[in-house]
Amino acid sequence: DTAVSQTPKYLVTQMGNDKSIKCEQNLGHDTMYWYKQDSKKFLKIMFSYNNKELIINETVPNRFSPKSPDKAHLNLHINSLELGDSAVYFCASSQGPPERYGYTFGSGTRLTVV
Amino acid sequence: AQKVTQAQTEISVVEKEDVTLDCVYETRDTTYYLFWYKQPPSGELVFLIRRNSFDEQNEISGRYSWNFQKSTSSFNFTITASQVVDSAVYFCALSEALGTYKYIFGTGTRLKVLA
Repeated sequence: DTAVSQTPKYLVTQMGNDKSIKCEQNLGHDTMYWYKQDSKKFLKIMFSYNNKELIINETVPNRFSPKSPDKAHLNLHINSLELGDSAVYFCASSQGPPERYGYTFGSGTRLTVV
Repeated sequence: AQKVTQAQTEISVVEKEDVTLDCVYETRDTTYYLFWYKQPPSGELVFLIRRNSFDEQNEISGRYSWNFQKSTSSFNFTITASQVVDSAVYFCALSEALGTYKYIFGTGTRLKVLA
């Protein structure tokens, strides 16, 4: 039983396309996140939702739009993909503030834009 | 501003050697939290430890130990008698206070343990 599952694991697509990455957690956590890991392994938060409400929206191009249909799901939609969007995207969840409870991460989605 | 520095980009050791991964942080807050995560070649991020700024006790978990020193703003991680399975990228992270809901990660240290 995977706690935080992301699909797809790999995604190769052409510039200009629109794509979505899905994330689901079965831990009953209230808060979910998207992190981006670039080619140099640098991890940076993009978005966070708490009970379907957006609480963190870092400086991210508005081509990226998170959607949380319920507190167990947080999807990431990307419009007009660019080469620079190539990265590994991690979904995560936490029981409460991750400062206290830590994150549980998914296994990542490697996005390659060609 | 908060910042996490992992100056060692890559370390290679031979199996059974001890290895220390350095982490230096910057923060203006008196309350903060420090973390280590492991990213093995399979790619997932695995939580290793959390420490708050009021708890300077060192911690040992099997072959892993952590040395938190506020005086030098460091939170170093030592693996004793390293094994090939320890090969991974290790990330140190900082979070200021409760309620920020995000970490600042260091750039990671890639550890290669050679058989």
